[in-house]
Amino acid sequence: GNSVTQMEGPVTLSEEAFLTINCTYTATGYPSLFWYVQYPGEGLQLLLKATKADDKGSNKGFEATYRKETTSFHLEKGSVQVSDSAVYFCALGAGNNFNKFYFGSGTKLNVKP
Amino acid sequence: KAGVTQTPRYLIKTRGQQVTLSCSPISGHRSVSWYQQTPGQGLQFLFEYFSETQRNKGNFPGRFSGRQFSNSRSEMNVSTLELGDSALYLCASRSSNYGYTFGSGTRLTVV
Repeated sequence: GNSVTQMEGPVTLSEEAFLTINCTYTATGYPSLFWYVQYPGEGLQLLLKATKADDKGSNKGFEATYRKETTSFHLEKGSVQVSDSAVYFCALGAGNNFNKFYFGSGTKLNVKP
Repeated sequence: KAGVTQTPRYLIKTRGQQVTLSCSPISGHRSVSWYQQTPGQGLQFLFEYFSETQRNKGNFPGRFSGRQFSNSRSEMNVSTLELGDSALYLCASRSSNYGYTFGSGTRLTVV
């Protein structure tokens, strides 16, 4: 079956530190992978996506590479800011037109000044 | 391009009542999905509608229902509310071959 596993949070970092949030998946077929971010009191926003193996998604300094050999899609950022504090969700879209969508449990990131 | 609009943003209801939540998707998006988000259970899929038909359904009791109109707007109804239904309800729309765009959610509190 399809599933997504994320590292447990919260992750607490100082400003300008390097961020990695781990995400691994199991899937049948060839899924697309996504990272969403949720700021306090808001819905989820699409942060980046990758549709096939070795694709790298990037946005706002965040990056993630679709690694089929390790079934991973880890989120990275070289220098986090206080404004990056949020909950990050890894997700997998599978099936025809992504009619099956699976979210990880979310990882809370706290960035301290 | 307007985003996904959910109304109301906040709602307080009493146990046993029923509630209807509304979602207007992005123009042109025919798929609308609903999720329940709670601190304990995370994001849980409720159902997905496509062209007025329910296409997928999660593991929620029959008290949770939804529908989609010809203009793709969707409503979600919860009957006989329980305290455990208190949650953030998120609506998301998408076009094919792309991920979801979420609304800001409706925060439901059952007292």
